[in-house]
Amino acid sequence: KQEVTQIPAALSVPEGENLVLNCSFTDSAIYNLQWFRQDPGKGLTSLLLIQSSQREQTSGRLNASLDKSSGRSTLYIAASQPGDSATYLCAVLRGGSNYKLTFGKGTLLTVNP
Amino acid sequence: EAQVTQNPRYLITVTGKKLTVTCSQNMNHEYMSWYRQDPGLGLRQIYYSMNVEVTDKGDVPEGYKVSRKEKRNFPLILESPSPNQTSLYFCASRMTGVINEQFFGPGTRLTVL
Repeated sequence: KQEVTQIPAALSVPEGENLVLNCSFTDSAIYNLQWFRQDPGKGLTSLLLIQSSQREQTSGRLNASLDKSSGRSTLYIAASQPGDSATYLCAVLRGGSNYKLTFGKGTLLTVNP
Repeated sequence: EAQVTQNPRYLITVTGKKLTVTCSQNMNHEYMSWYRQDPGLGLRQIYYSMNVEVTDKGDVPEGYKVSRKEKRNFPLILESPSPNQTSLYFCASRMTGVINEQFFGPGTRLTVL
């Protein structure tokens, strides 16, 4: 059974700092990994999708890496801003006929002005 | 605009009163799915549909029903809601094929008294 763990559960940083969020998964037989952002009480916004054959993806100040063999992914946020404050979720897609995403419990990020 | 919509966004009801949460997507996606999100448990899949008239159970299907009569719509039905179904519900859709990302609706916050 696939399990996804995100560390830390919460993180508070001053504005402008570069930071890394971690995601690990137990079964390396994944097709892809997706990072989401969730604002309080709101829906999930897709940030980055990394295919299993890829090592990293970049979008603006965000960079996600994937090391499938070790079961790890990181989300790097450069020059953090208060508007980055949210919960960040990673999710992995395994094989099979159901495109079910297995989610971690998220990292709550607070960026202080 | 490409999107997944859900209605209602907020609902307070009483035990045993049947309700339906609607989900619609305008991206011509074959695959649709329902998740619930609970504190400490993360997101868990309730039901999914690979295409019209094709549905199957996810991890936590008890107490729920779904139907997929049209490609764009995937309603979630609670025939006899109970307090343990109080949760934040998300509908999601995607194209089939493992390289595609999953899109989520804005969520429906359900309270069953």
